Amino acid sequence: DTGVSQDPRHKITKRGQNVTFRCDPISEHNRLYWYRQTLGQGPEFLTYFQNEAQLEKSRLLSDRFSAERPKGSFSTLEIQRTEQGDSAMYLCASIGQGASGANVLTFGAGSRLTVL
Amino acid sequence: QKEVEQNSGPLSVPEGAIASLNCTYSDRVSQSFFWYRQYSGKSPELIMSIYSNGDKEDGRFTAQLNKASQYVSLLIRDSQPSDSATYLCAVSGGTSYGKLTFGQGTILTVHP
Repeated sequence: DTGVSQDPRHKITKRGQNVTFRCDPISEHNRLYWYRQTLGQGPEFLTYFQNEAQLEKSRLLSDRFSAERPKGSFSTLEIQRTEQGDSAMYLCASIGQGASGANVLTFGAGSRLTVL
Repeated sequence: QKEVEQNSGPLSVPEGAIASLNCTYSDRVSQSFFWYRQYSGKSPELIMSIYSNGDKEDGRFTAQLNKASQYVSLLIRDSQPSDSATYLCAVSGGTSYGKLTFGQGTILTVHP
C-alpha cells in the first residue's frame, strides 16, 4: 500500500450533472477525511469518518453533497446538481501514526473537478 | 478575521538564503500545528509538526511556536530552487487530529 488513492484525478462536467469521487485510504488508517481546495486558498475541511461512521460535517457540505464509507474502507463523495462554484480540487486524506508516533494526516493526489 | 492567517506572498529569496514564513492563528485552544508544502498541481505534504512552545528542527527546516502570541513560523535554511512551492500553515484544536484549519498559503520562490 503506497498511500491514499483517489479516482478520478480529473473530472469535467456540465452544470447540473452529478459526479462521484472515490478515495482509498492507507489500509491501516481508520480515519478518513475529505477536504476541498480552491485556487489560491488552503484546503477546507468537509467531513470525516472513523471506520464507517461519519462523525462530523462542515457547514460547507450543502445538501447536494453526500459522503459514504460503507465498509470502513474506501469512501465516496457525491455532488448532485453540480454548480460552477463546485469547481475545486477535492482532497482525501487518512490519518495514522507517523515514524515519530504522532498522528500524521496524509493526503491523496486529489480529484480536480471543473464544472462548465 | 480568518482563523489562520499567512502572508500570501510571493516571498522571493536567493538560493542559499534563509526563508522565513509566518502564520498567526485565532483559536487559543489550538494544540497542534503543522507546515505542509504544496507544489503546483500537487497535494499537500507534511514537512513539520510542532506541539509545544519553542523550536523544533528537522534538517534544513525549523518550526517555531509561541502559543502566547498565537504565532507559528517556519525557517528554511540554505534555500534551494526545489523549495519553491506554496507553504501551508495548519492548526488543529481538538481530538480529531485530522481536522485541520489551513491558512491560504505563502508562495515561496527561491531563485538561483
